[in-house]
Amino acid sequence: GIQVEQSPPDLILQEGANSTLRCNFSDSVNNLQWFHQNPWGQLINLFYIPSGTKQNGRLSATTVATERYSLLYISSSQTTDSGVYFCAVETSGTYKYIFGTGTRLKVLA
Amino acid sequence: NAGVTQTPKFQVLKTGQSMTLQCAQDMNHEYMSWYRQDPGMGLRLIHYSVGAGITDQGEVPNGYNVSRSTTEDFPLRLLSAAPSQTSVYFCASRPAWGPSSGANVLTFGAGSRLTVL
Repeated sequence: GIQVEQSPPDLILQEGANSTLRCNFSDSVNNLQWFHQNPWGQLINLFYIPSGTKQNGRLSATTVATERYSLLYISSSQTTDSGVYFCAVETSGTYKYIFGTGTRLKVLA
Repeated sequence: NAGVTQTPKFQVLKTGQSMTLQCAQDMNHEYMSWYRQDPGMGLRLIHYSVGAGITDQGEVPNGYNVSRSTTEDFPLRLLSAAPSQTSVYFCASRPAWGPSSGANVLTFGAGSRLTVL
């Protein structure tokens, strides 16, 4: 089955710094989402982005489907950005989401 | 519009007991799914459903049963709980698949933390 790898596994930033999180996948996908899991465990959808680029405030994401990777950019990080960031992919016709193991981000004040 | 509602939030079981984790959504979503999250790992798919009366297995289905008698509800049953089933369980749903981006966004419930002693 499809493999999903995220890097880095852990990241510590000072407030105001920028960061790039990466998600590599081993097969073509028709669905890719980025999620943020906050310290209380809640999973929030950030982007639905099987291809192309999207921006939402300080966050943006780019997926290069032909090269099988996606990037999540966080600019001017804030302490509320702390948590775990997951990417999840779905291959065409399977209805099965495969999650990466996540990037744990801690933003220090 | 409550979204995806999971109950209970916390549960402690003894080995061998059975229980049902409830999941309900009020968004008329066709697709519903259950995941488990273990420490240091991502979420793993247990079972999913693409509509009432239709269910299928995910990555880790052993020890769990599901049914989908209505569009709104997708309960997860543990028939004989084992310590290896100690985990946080998440239910998620999305609209019917389609070309629009909104049709493909998975929405999660708040999770249910299960401990099996």
